[in-house]
Amino acid sequence: AQTVTQSQPEMSVQEAETVTLSCTYDTSESDYYLFWYKQPPSRQMILVIRQEAYKQQNATENRFSVNFQKAAKSFSLKISDSQLGDAAMYFCAYTYNNNDMRFGAGTRLTVKP
Amino acid sequence: DSGVTQTPKHLITATGQRVTLRCSPRSGDLSVYWYQQSLDQGLQFLIQYYNGEERAKGNILERFSAQQFPDLHSELNLSSLELGDSALYFCASSVEPLAGGIDTQYFGPGTRLTVL
Repeated sequence: AQTVTQSQPEMSVQEAETVTLSCTYDTSESDYYLFWYKQPPSRQMILVIRQEAYKQQNATENRFSVNFQKAAKSFSLKISDSQLGDAAMYFCAYTYNNNDMRFGAGTRLTVKP
Repeated sequence: DSGVTQTPKHLITATGQRVTLRCSPRSGDLSVYWYQQSLDQGLQFLIQYYNGEERAKGNILERFSAQQFPDLHSELNLSSLELGDSALYFCASSVEPLAGGIDTQYFGPGTRLTVL
């Protein structure tokens, strides 16, 4: 069964600093897709970044980047130059079949001014 | 704004009742997904429709059903409601990539259901 684990229920970071959110997953598939979604207090689910497992290069979107370690089944999110607007719940997600997506339990990120 | 719309935003009802949640996907998207986000279960996939046909089922209760109409909007019907059905219900949509692979799922703002 495919499962996604986020071992950090809460994290905090000082404004302008860097923070890394952890995610591990379990799968027997070789080709799959990983995502980070952000859920601010508005509850909207917003895509932050996606990674295709067949790509060795780590995805980057402005201040957001991932460290994808396929062998270790690890997919961490690095937020650089943290801003107050980054405060939210962050969910790691996995899918391989374009059908259901499996989500981790989430990490609540607090940004301190 | 993801382009996915959901109505209503909030719904308060009583146990035993039936409600219908509505979702309009992004323009051009053929797939619609329904998810339930509750405090104790987290985000769970319920069901997917593609171009009017059911494609995949997740942890959807028999009391729940969905459909996708010819104009591609979708409705999630929840019946015989119980207190435990109180949750945030998300709809997401995606396009079917022509070259294989998958497309990102874009989420609507959700419908907050409270069962009293």
